[in-house]
Amino acid sequence: AQSVTQLGSHVSVSEGALVLLRCNYSSSVPPYLFWYVQYPNQGLQLLLKYTTGATLVKGINGFEAEFKKSETSFHLTKPSAHMSDAAEYFCAVGDDKIIFGKGTRLHILP
Amino acid sequence: GAVVSQHPSRVICKSGTSVKIECRSLDFQATTMFWYRQFPKQSLMLMATSNEGSKATYEQGVEKDKFLINHASLTLSTLTVTSAHPEDSSFYICSAPLSPAGTYEQYFGPGTRLTVT
Repeated sequence: AQSVTQLGSHVSVSEGALVLLRCNYSSSVPPYLFWYVQYPNQGLQLLLKYTTGATLVKGINGFEAEFKKSETSFHLTKPSAHMSDAAEYFCAVGDDKIIFGKGTRLHILP
Repeated sequence: GAVVSQHPSRVICKSGTSVKIECRSLDFQATTMFWYRQFPKQSLMLMATSNEGSKATYEQGVEKDKFLINHASLTLSTLTVTSAHPEDSSFYICSAPLSPAGTYEQYFGPGTRLTVT
């Protein structure tokens, strides 16, 4: 079975600071990994995904994530936080059926 | 680009009534669609897999007689919440893969907020 663990239900960073959202996965097969963002009362938007190939994946809005098999991790980063980045972020694993982590709410401090 | 729509975006119904939520894939066909529910400030929980031309596959703990799923065509899946109760109030989201089964490119609908009074 596949599962995802997101460390930290809430993360606060100052505007302009590094954003780091942690995600660890469990999968018995090579995983497909995703990060989604959800703004209040809206659906999900795909930030980035890892399927095969390059382990450093670049996504939209300046986000990127690195697949580290040895650590079973897929942490999301952004060099400089912007106020508009405040949202809920979900790490997910799967192919047809996507299993989501519990989410991390990102707060941006002015 | 590929888009998934849901209708309605919000619905309020009385306890005991049934509510139908539609999920449509626009500009692409989806033989499979997925239904999720999301409680406030929580993650998305997969409810069921909707299969065009066959019965839906429900996740453990999801009542198939309460949450009726019909995949009427290659672009439409419906979720009917039967005999709704306040505890069914939630945000329901559907998704569809862009390609046939086995792909990893999924698109999510904007969600339907159901409130049962």
